[in-house]
Amino acid sequence: QKEVEQDPGPLSVPEGAIVSLNCTYSNSAFQYFMWYRQYSRKGPELLMYTYSSGNKEDGRFTAQVDKSSKYISLFIRDSQPSDSATYLCAMRDPTQGGSEKLVFGKGMKLTVNP
Amino acid sequence: ETGVTQTPRHLVMGMTNKKSLKCEQHLGHNAMYWYKQSAKKPLELMFVYNFKEQTENNSVPSRFSPECPNSSHLFLHLHTLQPEDSALYLCASSQETVSGTQYFGPGTRLTVL
Repeated sequence: QKEVEQDPGPLSVPEGAIVSLNCTYSNSAFQYFMWYRQYSRKGPELLMYTYSSGNKEDGRFTAQVDKSSKYISLFIRDSQPSDSATYLCAMRDPTQGGSEKLVFGKGMKLTVNP
Repeated sequence: ETGVTQTPRHLVMGMTNKKSLKCEQHLGHNAMYWYKQSAKKPLELMFVYNFKEQTENNSVPSRFSPECPNSSHLFLHLHTLQPEDSALYLCASSQETVSGTQYFGPGTRLTVL
């Protein structure tokens, strides 16, 4: 079983839709969870970062972590064409001392159609 | 310049060539990373440097050789590459924090003929 599983899509939605992106993981020691957004021909940029379980909201974006189910989600409300990108989840086990090693999902390609 | 910069942005090389990728971070971070990103695969961590010392080498073939002369600069020296090495090579940096949040450069798109 891979440490992090993410459906690579692609996912296509109409403008204004609510988008739900998800990752599951197997390592219960993961404590830090991130979502990165990667536009075509660019490097990933940090979008949201959460620690442990719970929700975090930033504008139209909400990150949700359910540690009991080992499941994280990113919700995008009122999606816009500018949200079209690949979204990668990433997570870290803080007990792995020394290296700042993140484990990434494959990334989900999202297209928001006008 | 702000953030993490990488040069060149695109590189085409033959299998017998020698080339180098350069990364520079302007964030005052002390850890730097090289990743390989191929289509339909997760980001693959290649090397980690912390305070200029290599702390991780993820079983990368010796045809990839990293160099970190100081905490702001990172190089990836390439020689006798294979066509399957064609990919996007990303550099990232982070501060020494428990969260491990990393900041990425735009990448170098490498094509090996």
